[in-house]
Amino acid sequence: ETGVTQTPRHLVMGMTNKKSLKCEQHLGHNAMYWYKQSAKKPLELMFVYSLEERVENNSVPSRFSPECPNSSHLFLHLHTLQPEDSALYLCASSQIGGVRGEQFFGPGTRLTVL
Amino acid sequence: RKEVEQDPGPFNVPEGATVAFNCTYSNSASQSFFWYRQDCRKEPKLLMSVYSSGNEDGRFTAQLNRASQYISLLIRDSKLSDSATYLCVVTGNTGKLIFGQGTTLQVKP
Repeated sequence: ETGVTQTPRHLVMGMTNKKSLKCEQHLGHNAMYWYKQSAKKPLELMFVYSLEERVENNSVPSRFSPECPNSSHLFLHLHTLQPEDSALYLCASSQIGGVRGEQFFGPGTRLTVL
Repeated sequence: RKEVEQDPGPFNVPEGATVAFNCTYSNSASQSFFWYRQDCRKEPKLLMSVYSSGNEDGRFTAQLNRASQYISLLIRDSKLSDSATYLCVVTGNTGKLIFGQGTTLQVKP
């Protein structure tokens, strides 16, 4: 059973809507990540938070806005999305200094933008 | 050129078969290498790390060839439960994980 939870699991939104994705990790980790997984494409890293500080932003459009209020919670705020933003959004966490390369993923939010 | 390249497959094999996947990476400075497994409609999970000397975990063997910049995963005695997508992962310059597209394996009875 994963120690990373995500809500909602499915989301359908129009291009003018504003919504937020939530991620919570129960593993005591100190780094959290947002990934995008589109069909037939590799996982794309979007944002990295380490010790609650954003350390990486991979040229993600400003219509995606992350927030990390503490080491256990991560949000992805969405506004004025495009249909091509439809994808599976995965949250992950890891322990800096822990087992190298091991990230624990949540079940993802499947987003459809109409 | 993709940073991490894999044959997407699918590889269809009978139960009991031995199957091998390869993966190539473009950044010669990559330090760490892994295989993740992703079941259909589920999240990726770490399967095993890959070391230069090669490593084995039960029916799974991973190998790294730094000179040729490729990584392999060998699965012996395939089980139906091995059906999944196998993601090749390397670390980038900043230590972040870079995922390949994945290779889909379907084990048939």
